[in-house]
Amino acid sequence: GAGVSQSPRYKVAKRGQDVALRCDPISGHVSLFWYQQALGQGPEFLTYFQNEAQLDKSGLPSDRFFAERPEGSVSTLKIQRTQQEDSAVYLCASKPGLAQETQYFGPGTRLLVL
Amino acid sequence: QQQVKQSPQSLIVQKGGISIINCAYENTAFDYFPWYQQFPGKGPALLIAIRPDVSEKKEGRFTISFNKSAKQFSLHIMDSQPGDSATYFCAASHDGGGTSGSRLTFGEGTQLTVNP
Repeated sequence: GAGVSQSPRYKVAKRGQDVALRCDPISGHVSLFWYQQALGQGPEFLTYFQNEAQLDKSGLPSDRFFAERPEGSVSTLKIQRTQQEDSAVYLCASKPGLAQETQYFGPGTRLLVL
Repeated sequence: QQQVKQSPQSLIVQKGGISIINCAYENTAFDYFPWYQQFPGKGPALLIAIRPDVSEKKEGRFTISFNKSAKQFSLHIMDSQPGDSATYFCAASHDGGGTSGSRLTFGEGTQLTVNP
């Protein structure tokens, strides 16, 4: 079946621009995560949704980062007034339930802020 | 605070050899330890995972060894193949009672190259 998809795959933004990154999780998956992966580093947790509820946003680096999942399926990560340090790959992952189980990752969106 | 430390940063082995990657964790609340494999331009994919009630888990050529007292775990890839060349991440999570979704804390990654 279809896996997790993300769009766009690549995004170039000028410093100060707003960007929106989309995640389509596997159908029916309750849990959805966003991670940030800097070049040569492991992914770092940003935020977690259980259906439409954002239960944990402790990893968001600043109030310029905002995520939503209004209908409990598709999620959008928005970054306002982008800075160069926001350049990274943004990964979305989903899993069927609430347990400690496999997280299925999308291919990521590579964001470059100039 | 780096809660999961991974080594080595890079590893080169010959085809047929054994690749060993090590991780150490700090948070004793962690109770789920997966390994993920990532190819360039792709997202991480689960390779194998272990829980602390066992000391070893084997799936095909991949084995996790777990040492709870030392707070360390390692990935062994037997008979390494060129197709195994990728970046490997160890990770850890704990059951946050639903509010955290069992978010993953990743190590820094190991870039494995298997020469033909």
